[in-house]
Amino acid sequence: QITLKESGPTLVKPTQSLTLTCTFSGSSLNASGVGVGWIRQPPGKALEWLALIYWDDEKRHSPSLKSRLTISKDTSKNQVVLTMTNMDPVDTATYYCARSFFLAGTGTGSTYYFDYWGQGTLVTVSS
Amino acid sequence: DIQLTQSPSFLSASVGDRVTITCRASQGISSYLAWYQQKPGKAPKLLIYAASTLQSGVPSRFSGSGSGTEFTLTISSLQPEDFATYSCQHLHSYPYSFGQGTKLEIK
Repeated sequence: QITLKESGPTLVKPTQSLTLTCTFSGSSLNASGVGVGWIRQPPGKALEWLALIYWDDEKRHSPSLKSRLTISKDTSKNQVVLTMTNMDPVDTATYYCARSFFLAGTGTGSTYYFDYWGQGTLVTVSS
Repeated sequence: DIQLTQSPSFLSASVGDRVTITCRASQGISSYLAWYQQKPGKAPKLLIYAASTLQSGVPSRFSGSGSGTEFTLTISSLQPEDFATYSCQHLHSYPYSFGQGTKLEIK
């Protein structure tokens, strides 16, 4: 059974950095074709894709947040870590990690989709 | 960056109704589109990928169609457990983005 679980602080102060850990089980971060992404959702708002790291250490970041984001993985612990610097109250959101896995469609559109998600962790930015 | 616009943002329907939600992309994304269902306080659940392929375990009353810039999610006969928020996501090119969501409520 594949599970992901986010962990980290629930409250951070403005200007501080946030470090979140996604612990992944039932699948290996070393396995070809596996990636883990981070997505957030401010209260009552839409989902926002943040970053993604693949088994081969390829990394992708949202351009609007790229200067503030760092994503890395520790394959020995099967964990992915997201760091976001200079936190602001507008960064208050539920942060999710999700497995990115290659899924073949019946026609075109075969690519890496987020098929398993963690439960999410609410991070509040406030002084 | 590719923008996704869903319509409607809110939808009121009854059990047994057939409903359709539309997702429009600001540029062509082939069939690199996913649909998610999200219930309050829960993580999104992948329903459909590659625009029209049903994820394993998802009831067959859900279906997706479209390619290029216009996509639809259809629920053929609403069940009580289907009342939730539905979001589309493109995976054509980075940055991947989501639609703003469609909240499906009980009439």
